[in-house]
Amino acid sequence: GQNIDQPTEMTATEGAIVQINCTYQTSGFNGLFWYQQHAGEAPTFLSYNVLDGLEEKGRFSSFLSRSKGYSYLLLKELQMKDSASYLCAVRDSTGGFKTIFGAGTRLFVKA
Amino acid sequence: NAGVTQTPKFRVLKTGQSMTLLCAQDMNHEYMYWYRQDPGMGLRLIHYSVGEGTTAKGEVPDGYNVSRLKKQNFLLGLESAAPSQTSVYFCASSSTRTSAYNEQFFGPGTRLTVL
Repeated sequence: GQNIDQPTEMTATEGAIVQINCTYQTSGFNGLFWYQQHAGEAPTFLSYNVLDGLEEKGRFSSFLSRSKGYSYLLLKELQMKDSASYLCAVRDSTGGFKTIFGAGTRLFVKA
Repeated sequence: NAGVTQTPKFRVLKTGQSMTLLCAQDMNHEYMYWYRQDPGMGLRLIHYSVGEGTTAKGEVPDGYNVSRLKKQNFLLGLESAAPSQTSVYFCASSSTRTSAYNEQFFGPGTRLTVL
């Protein structure tokens, strides 16, 4: 079956670092995405990993281990505006266009 | 450049009524998708399209139909609405020509309530 697991909620302090984990079991793999979704808004693309390792993009980094079916999103120097849901998503290789989304991790940043 | 737009933003239906949700994109993307998002669940793919005139079923297609007569538009139809179809519906589009990632660009969503 296809399954993506990520924590439901996390809380962190402004200025700190937070790591959001994602584990997946899918029938095929053609890349892993992280999207950010503020309450009541549409998801927006944050990062993409298809090879093992770390991809850094400003305050955000994403890591992938394909052998472990594991990824994390690292947010540094947290700001209040980072309070949002973070969606882990895996693109299925069989169809090439289907993307399976996790339920999302709701991050609360407190002062 | 409006990106992806959805019409309407909100709608309340009675059980058994029909409606069509319209998605439009002005980025010349080949691929378009319809998702539903329910509390505690991820985005679930209803139907998708890899080009004008073609559509395919996603994870949860039952009770929905789609059409893509023009490249820029993707319509989602509910023939006989049921309370289980109360959800937030997102349309998205993507392209392999403009991005190696083929990441998806989402519309603002349609909040549908079926009574």
